[in-house]
Amino acid sequence: DTGVSQDPRHKITKRGQNVTFRCDPISEHNRLYWYRQTLGQGPEFLTYFQNEAQLEKSRLLSDRFSAERPKGSFSTLEIQRTEQGDSAMYLCASSLGSGADSEAFFGQGTRLTVV
Amino acid sequence: GESVGLHLPTLSVQEGDNSIINCAYSNSASDYFIWYKQESGKGPQFIIDIRSNMDKRQGQRVTVLLNKTVKHLSLQIAATQPGDSAVYFCAIQGTDKLIFGTGTRLQVFP
Repeated sequence: DTGVSQDPRHKITKRGQNVTFRCDPISEHNRLYWYRQTLGQGPEFLTYFQNEAQLEKSRLLSDRFSAERPKGSFSTLEIQRTEQGDSAMYLCASSLGSGADSEAFFGQGTRLTVV
Repeated sequence: GESVGLHLPTLSVQEGDNSIINCAYSNSASDYFIWYKQESGKGPQFIIDIRSNMDKRQGQRVTVLLNKTVKHLSLQIAATQPGDSAVYFCAIQGTDKLIFGTGTRLQVFP
């Protein structure tokens, strides 16, 4: 257990439905990241927060995706009007600062299946 | 942009042998590299890292080698154990995010 928790662990939803995932980072970590991982691939960066500010969003994060970190603690990732291509593992990570000597700790992920 | 690639999608080794997992990267300006281990159903777990001002770093049973001339990174696991079975990713610390390769699945057989 890395100290980063994600909920739910698994989510099956019908195409067109909205889903929301939650991430609770390690409490003193100011940075929080969302990644997406499809089968057989490495994690791909989606977005990150420093405290409550969302500082970067990947091109992968379409208009249907929105992430928040309202109080600089937990974060939510919402996907609206889900599509089958959204099926993936959504990983959250947190760190204290960035770069070398700022190890990112990953949660167990939320596996989304869109049917 | 930066890219990271692993040489082999699957590596099978016998328990007790040494394992070597290789990785190539494209950006010569990359200065921080990390190896992660991911077990089935879990998130990536940090194994070892290395900065560009080093060419070798050792941990417990693991060694990372960095060859900046050919932009190549390797992870060596000594005396591979069944518990080492997992997917291994190399990652580069880009600007404020990690860039991962596609991963190598390490299978350990008795």
